Amino acid sequence: EVQLLESGGGLVQPGGSLRLSCAASGFTFSTYAMTWVRQAPGKGLEWVSSISGSATNTYYADSVKGRFTISRDNSKNTLYVQMNTLRAEDTAVYYCAKDLGGVVPAAIADVWGQGTTVTVSS
Amino acid sequence: EIVLTQSPATLSLSPGERATLSCRASQSVNNYLAWYQQRPGQAPRLLIYDASNRATGIPARFSGSGSGTDFTLTISSLEPEDFAVYYCQQRSNWPPITFGQGTRLEIK
Repeated sequence: EVQLLESGGGLVQPGGSLRLSCAASGFTFSTYAMTWVRQAPGKGLEWVSSISGSATNTYYADSVKGRFTISRDNSKNTLYVQMNTLRAEDTAVYYCAKDLGGVVPAAIADVWGQGTTVTVSS
Repeated sequence: EIVLTQSPATLSLSPGERATLSCRASQSVNNYLAWYQQRPGQAPRLLIYDASNRATGIPARFSGSGSGTDFTLTISSLEPEDFAVYYCQQRSNWPPITFGQGTRLEIK
């Protein structure tokens, strides 16, 4: 069974940093692109970032470009996002998702984790 | 950036009825449109991709149609577990990947 388990969320002050992790199991992690999607409280879904299976290519929403860095460790079957210079508007549940395509992102999220909550507040 | 507009914002129906949800794109996305379901307190779930392809394990009562700028998600006969929020998402011209604002399907 394909499973994704996010961790690393919490309360952080504006301007602070946080690193989220997503542990994957049940599939050959290195052969699939991965994505982070977030959802602010009571709001809709917002794409954050994607990474190819080999980590060669990364993609970012304008709202996080320059502040967030997506990465992966295929030896550990784990996806990461390093979030710096956090703002109140980054407060959200962060979901990691497996791409339906393959090594190259197809931009279709076919399996989602349960999410981890990030709260940016003083 | 391609903007997706979903309608209606809220749809009130009874179990057994047919649901029709719409998603309109600000420019053509060809058939590169997906639909997701999100039940309260849960992560989203992929229902349909590339306009009309059901994802693995999705019941046949869910169907998608459309191309270009106008798309429809149809649920032929509503089950109690189908009452949720539904999002469309485009992958035609990315980044960025964009989602619609969602349609809430509620029990009448």
